[in-house]
Amino acid sequence: DVKVTQSSRYLVKRTGEKVFLECVQDMDHENMFWYRQDPGLGLRLIYFSYDVKMKEKGDIPEGYSVSREKKERFSLILESASTNQTSMYLCASSLPGQAYNEQFFGPGTRLTVL
Amino acid sequence: AQSVSQHNHHVILSEAASLELGCNYSYGGTVNLFWYVQYPGQHLQLLLKYFSGDPLVKGIKGFEAEFIKSKFSFNLRKPSVQWSDTAEYFCAVNGMDSNYQLIWGAGTKLIIKP
Repeated sequence: DVKVTQSSRYLVKRTGEKVFLECVQDMDHENMFWYRQDPGLGLRLIYFSYDVKMKEKGDIPEGYSVSREKKERFSLILESASTNQTSMYLCASSLPGQAYNEQFFGPGTRLTVL
Repeated sequence: AQSVSQHNHHVILSEAASLELGCNYSYGGTVNLFWYVQYPGQHLQLLLKYFSGDPLVKGIKGFEAEFIKSKFSFNLRKPSVQWSDTAEYFCAVNGMDSNYQLIWGAGTKLIIKP
């Protein structure tokens, strides 16, 4: 079974703090994704990575950065957290090449920024 | 720009009722289509997908979806729902020229009354 794990299920941070969300997958997937999930908006792609050290912006990259130093790990960084970044963050991974491959999701991190 | 519309944000049904959740997308080219499900407290997981061939696709737990190209639709159906189908359902679309990116609908929360 593919397993995607995220470092925290719940996180509370203060405005202006630097926040790191970690995601690890154990199936040697090339592709990894970070989404945020908000009620009534579905999932919106923040960043994705198709290889180590490679990244591309998604629909809503502003205020976020990512790091992929190892194939299995994809980190999302909020440089200076703001209250409008309070959300559920989902990490996913998939096999490379063909876009219709299934994405496997982690359990999510619910981030609250006070 | 591609978009995905799920018409019903909340659906409440009694057990044994038939289910149809609507999904329409805007994209003129070849598409891959997905339904994902998120049971309470669980990860998002793939329910079914279409990328070619028979437009009637069968997924897990008795769900099926029909791709109607002329209507840009990919509606999800189940003839008789169970209490355990209570979940949030997301439709997602990938246009063949959009690389890895899935475009997600806003989701439909389905509540089955026992």
